[in-house]
Amino acid sequence: DAGVTQSPTHLIKTRGQQVTLRCSPKSGHDTVSWYQQALGQGPQFIFQYYEEEERQRGNFPDRFSGHQFPNYSSELNVNALLLGDSALYLCASSSGTRGETQYFGPGTRLLVL
Amino acid sequence: DAKTTQPPSMDCAEGRAANLPCNHSTISGNEYVYWYRQIHSQGPQYIIHGLKNNETNEMASLIITEDRKSSTLILPHATLRDTAVYYCIVRPMDSSYKLIFGSGTRLLVRP
Repeated sequence: DAGVTQSPTHLIKTRGQQVTLRCSPKSGHDTVSWYQQALGQGPQFIFQYYEEEERQRGNFPDRFSGHQFPNYSSELNVNALLLGDSALYLCASSSGTRGETQYFGPGTRLLVL
Repeated sequence: DAKTTQPPSMDCAEGRAANLPCNHSTISGNEYVYWYRQIHSQGPQYIIHGLKNNETNEMASLIITEDRKSSTLILPHATLRDTAVYYCIVRPMDSSYKLIFGSGTRLLVRP
């Protein structure tokens, strides 16, 4: 049973560029949440997707957007990259049934130069 | 803001039990206590969760006080691979929404 997968594993971009990160949820899960983890800090919630719609959003600017596909996979897009966007981006999947545990992928390490 | 308080760091000897405390004095009756851990540069790994009863699985035991204001995660026989940051999180039982992470406890298992 495959767990949560993310791609790419590492990425280097320059300021002002745009980036797309991808996530495939654990088998049987239909909900995807995205988190940003800066170096030395705990993960911070960006947003969650369920039934192809954004269900909840954290305190992140509109430069951060997402999408969920009919197969439940998801993308995180970040426009106009800033140096401060350098972080580990984590995807977590769960069932839409309330109360289900979130399981995390290995993350994508983004470096903005 | 995180609703939990954890010591920033702890250590224990390999083979001994590691007891990681967490305070959640403002927890409400419909909130779970969740524990995750994060080994360096990897995604957080789910360990265990509970509501009010003590819980045990193949990874750890979770002891929740009767008033539910604090809990302890117990790794019965710590190994070097248990060195990680451990996060205690409080989450409503009727929601699969965001997890609010604090700073966690950095556990170092010594040989």
